[in-house]
Amino acid sequence: KAGVTQTPRYLIKTRGQQVTLSCSPISGHRSVSWYQQTPGQGLQFLFEYFSETQRNKGNFPGRFSGRQFSNSRSEMNVSTLELGDSALYLCASVQEGRDTQYFGPGTRLTVL
Amino acid sequence: GQSLEQPSEVTAVEGAIVQINCTYQTSGFYGLSWYQQHDGGAPTFLSYNALDGLEETGRFSSFLSRSDSYGYLLLQELQMKDSASYFCAVRWSNYQLIWGAGTKLIIKP
Repeated sequence: KAGVTQTPRYLIKTRGQQVTLSCSPISGHRSVSWYQQTPGQGLQFLFEYFSETQRNKGNFPGRFSGRQFSNSRSEMNVSTLELGDSALYLCASVQEGRDTQYFGPGTRLTVL
Repeated sequence: GQSLEQPSEVTAVEGAIVQINCTYQTSGFYGLSWYQQHDGGAPTFLSYNALDGLEETGRFSSFLSRSDSYGYLLLQELQMKDSASYFCAVRWSNYQLIWGAGTKLIIKP
């Protein structure tokens, strides 16, 4: 099976712009989670989608949003970018039953 | 609130054994997972404990004790390539995902 794919891998934006990141889960996985990771920090949970519905949401401002499509692919959007949004954004595809999360390579976002 | 506590950093010698603890404050979760993340890479799944006891996968073992509110990851025969950050994570009964802040494992020759 192909692994989790994320596009783009690298992105440079300026303050005030918006960005959309994409994640394609492992075939057959219906749950996708998104995380933000800044240098030297742990994983900050953004949100989780299951069968097109947001199942959980972390403590991030409303500028961060997401959605999931019927084919389980997911997108996250960050509007009005701030310098502090510079981070590695990771997407994880979840194997139901064991709750194992398979991570994509991440999108490294730099906000200038 | 619900939280997972891990040591921020652990140092060990190549060939030795190291234990990384993960403690939590409340009960009612499905299971405890462990992930490894090398610098610049994405986390990769190591182990999952749904029930109390020891799970062994090669040089790595993971343990869970719900009555004592803690778990640990045990790494044996340490190799330099094991230098990485290790995260514990649980999914609570309300489906909320909680992650520990991670433990940086430093291995010295």
